[in-house]
Amino acid sequence: EIVMTQSPDSLAVSLGERATINCKSSQSVLYSSSNKNFLGWYQQKAGQPPKLLIYWASTRESGVPERFSGSGSGTDFTLTISSLQAEDVAVYYCQQYYTTPLTFGGGTKVEIK
Amino acid sequence: EVQLLESGGGLVQPGGSLRLSCVASGFTFSSYVMSWVRQAPGKGLEWVSSIHTGGVNTYYADSVKGRFTISRDNSKNTLYLQMNSLRAEDTAEYYCAKTGDNVVLYYMDVWGKGTTVTVSS
Repeated sequence: EIVMTQSPDSLAVSLGERATINCKSSQSVLYSSSNKNFLGWYQQKAGQPPKLLIYWASTRESGVPERFSGSGSGTDFTLTISSLQAEDVAVYYCQQYYTTPLTFGGGTKVEIK
Repeated sequence: EVQLLESGGGLVQPGGSLRLSCVASGFTFSSYVMSWVRQAPGKGLEWVSSIHTGGVNTYYADSVKGRFTISRDNSKNTLYLQMNSLRAEDTAEYYCAKTGDNVVLYYMDVWGKGTTVTVSS
């Protein structure tokens, strides 16, 4: 099983400032033949289901604001919110879909400072 | 509009059974792998099970293998999760999720609102 470890568990950022969330996988999720990282990011607001933000580690889902970006490869990944807005308060999860069992990180709670 | 609507949750005693349903609309249900993901109260997301388009190939988390059965009826655009021998640790919100392609190893691009399962005496 691939273990996904997120850091930090929570962070408080001022409005308009940058938020950075890290995700590390216990083994590479880069599929060499396609050169794609099987890594996604989801946002979950309170009382709501998860919402897909980023897939293939860096491709933004349709309709997701440009302030959200994903980067990284292999085992180390980052989700960046370039300018935090009030509506971005949520828990963010990374997930690998390289192999079953599909696994999620423990989540990072983002709040306003 | 693409939608997933779960139902069937409720309160059940340990050792009991429950069947969850997820009705899909707004897309060609039979063309996509479908999954169940759960979230225990105050906890993170846990993948439970996935099923291929034809319903033959199924995948389970070790925590539910042998107790839960995933199935689908493409003629009814409906995904199911039969849950037997339920335990307290199965208490969670259960989400139905559409995978973005016809393979299991893909991201989940549409999620339902969830249905609550509580296992307690």
